[in-house]
Amino acid sequence: AQSVTQPDIHITVSEGASLELRCNYSYGATPYLFWYVQSPGQGLQLLLKYFSGDTLVQGIKGFEAEFKRSQSSFNLRKPSVHWSDAAEYFCAVGAGAGNMLTFGGGTRLMVKP
Amino acid sequence: NAGVTQTPKFQVLKTGQSMTLQCAQDMNHNSMYWYRQDPGMGLRLIYYSASEGTTDKGEVPNGYNVSRLNKREFSLRLESAAPSQTSVYFCASSELGGVTDTQYFGPGTRLTVL
Repeated sequence: AQSVTQPDIHITVSEGASLELRCNYSYGATPYLFWYVQSPGQGLQLLLKYFSGDTLVQGIKGFEAEFKRSQSSFNLRKPSVHWSDAAEYFCAVGAGAGNMLTFGGGTRLMVKP
Repeated sequence: NAGVTQTPKFQVLKTGQSMTLQCAQDMNHNSMYWYRQDPGMGLRLIYYSASEGTTDKGEVPNGYNVSRLNKREFSLRLESAAPSQTSVYFCASSELGGVTDTQYFGPGTRLTVL
């Protein structure tokens, strides 16, 4: 069965600083990988997804993620964080019937002014 | 176009009470999902419906039942609520249900069972 690990439960960065959120997955076949963002009190919104091809994928709100098969990782990055990026971020792998998503535990991002 | 809507937003139950969480989508999607979110555990799939008329168990189905009422609506029922079911519940939908499909999420229902 697939699994997803997000090693960092909380991360605090200063506004304008760069950001990298880590995600490691375990899955036997080619993974379908997703990053979602959840703002306080809201549902989840898709940031980006990777299925195949170029290992660097661009998403909304200036985010990008890089798939590294050798490291079983799909880390999310942003060059310059804005206060509005404060939220919880979830990495997920899709597999199996019905597009079952397996989520990591989430990383809560706080942004210092 | 409201996307995915859920009612109620908040609910408090006593142990043993029953309730139904409602979910509707207006995107003409085929597949719908119910997840629960618990701190540190991300979202876990309870049940899903790949298409109208079908439902299947997810990772944590015990204590829940679902009904795909029509293409738009997918309800989640707790027959006898337990404190372990205190959680935030999210409904989601996707167009075709394929593994590469984007899932669209509702705003969630925060349920407390006393």
